Amino acid sequence: DQQVKQNSPSLSVQEGRISILNCDYTNSMFDYFLWYKKYPAEGPTFLISISSIKDKNEDGRFTVFLNKSAKHLSLHIVPSQPGDSAVYFCAASPYNAGNMLTFGGGTRLMVKP
Amino acid sequence: DADVTQTPRNRITKTGKRIMLECSQTKGHDRMYWYRQDPGLGLRLIYYSFDVKDINKGEISDGYSVSRQAQAKFSLSLESAIPNQTALYFCATSDTKSNQPQHFGDGTRLSIL
Repeated sequence: DQQVKQNSPSLSVQEGRISILNCDYTNSMFDYFLWYKKYPAEGPTFLISISSIKDKNEDGRFTVFLNKSAKHLSLHIVPSQPGDSAVYFCAASPYNAGNMLTFGGGTRLMVKP
Repeated sequence: DADVTQTPRNRITKTGKRIMLECSQTKGHDRMYWYRQDPGLGLRLIYYSFDVKDINKGEISDGYSVSRQAQAKFSLSLESAIPNQTALYFCATSDTKSNQPQHFGDGTRLSIL
C-alpha cells in the first residue's frame, strides 16, 4: 500500500495561472516533506521542502503548504511558466531531508503558453 | 561535469543475464541510494548505504544486490535479470553532516527482453 499518494497523474494549466499539485500521506511518522521536479532524461531535482513544525514554506514562485491533521500537502506555483512543465514528485521522510525518502507516483504538469 | 554519474545511461539485455549498473559521485557525500522508477509508482528504494561498510535493504531489494566499493562508488547488480525489472534506475547521494536533500543522477534506462 502506497504511503505517499499523488492522486492526479496529470495537470494542465495556462501560463500565468496558478498550478496546485496535491499529495496525501498515511504514515504519521513522516516528519519532513519534499517536492522534486523531473524533466525527461534527467534525474529528479530538489525543489522545496517543509518540516512538520511548519505549515507553509515559500521560495519565490513556489509555496508548499502542510496540513498535518489531514495528512495532506500541496505545492503552489504562481505564476506558472512553460518551463515549469515537468513531472513533480512528492516525497516524505521520518527523519530529515537527507535520509530515506518515500515517494508518491508523480504528477505531470503541463503549462500551456 | 555531473556530480552523480550513472553508467550506462541505457541498456537492453536478455532475461537471465547478469547486469551491473554503476554510480559514482564527486560530491563527497557519505550516503548513497538506489531507486527504481515505474510509471505511476514513483521512485521506490532498492538499497541504501550510509558508509563504505554499511549496506541496507530498501522497500524492493529482492532480485538485486549492491556493492559499496569506496565512498564515491555504489553499484547495483541484477544477478539474473527478468522482464519485470525493466525500469528507470536512479542513484542518489546525501550528506549526513549537511542534512541537505538527496541529489540524483540522470538515471539508467534498463530494458530486459
